[in-house]
Amino acid sequence: QQQVKQSPQSLIVQKGGISIINCAYENTAFDYFPWYQQFPGKGPALLIAIRPDVSEKKEGRFTISFNKSAKQFSLHIMDSQPGDSATYFCAASIYSSGQLTFGSGTQLTVLP
Amino acid sequence: NAGVTQTPKFQVLKTGQSMTLQCAQDMNHNSMYWYRQDPGMGLRLIYYSASEGTTDKGEVPNGYNVSRLNKREFSLRLESAAPSQTSVYFCASSEVRGNTEAFFGQGTRLTVV
Repeated sequence: QQQVKQSPQSLIVQKGGISIINCAYENTAFDYFPWYQQFPGKGPALLIAIRPDVSEKKEGRFTISFNKSAKQFSLHIMDSQPGDSATYFCAASIYSSGQLTFGSGTQLTVLP
Repeated sequence: NAGVTQTPKFQVLKTGQSMTLQCAQDMNHNSMYWYRQDPGMGLRLIYYSASEGTTDKGEVPNGYNVSRLNKREFSLRLESAAPSQTSVYFCASSEVRGNTEAFFGQGTRLTVV
């Protein structure tokens, strides 16, 4: 069963636009929600992460919005650039288990 | 600064052959992980090692074995490869289980024919 559901599977955005990727989780014990960015031929790399005690975290053009009651969180990329074209994965973990559960990924293409 | 190093980068196996994927990290991390990445399924945890001397099964452990050789090295072994094990395999490490950044290697693309 997939404990973290991610949508959309692919996303095409014009340069300067806003990219939005959504994730929903089922396990209420999850207490850490990172987003990873992966370029072709490379391993995933941490982009930004949030804990459930805050509803929003912003780092530069990247923002995570977190809705604990709805068990949903999303990544917003403002002023999207062609260099942001990559695959994005949301993930969730329970601290005591040490395991990251990943969403299925979103392939983002930013057109110049 | 190497980070997490995986070898080999590419491998083709015949069904029934065995092989070991090697992983080493130079960040003095306690925890290490093996994931497989398949199209449309994200990354799924195969095995992890919370600390030197311990290993635990993840979501998809069947057909695999692991060895935490020392704090730096964590290997993944396929005893009898099957076409269903065709995938990209990633090793990762982190300082503390779960809530800190996991650093990933560049992956091993394995094809089983």
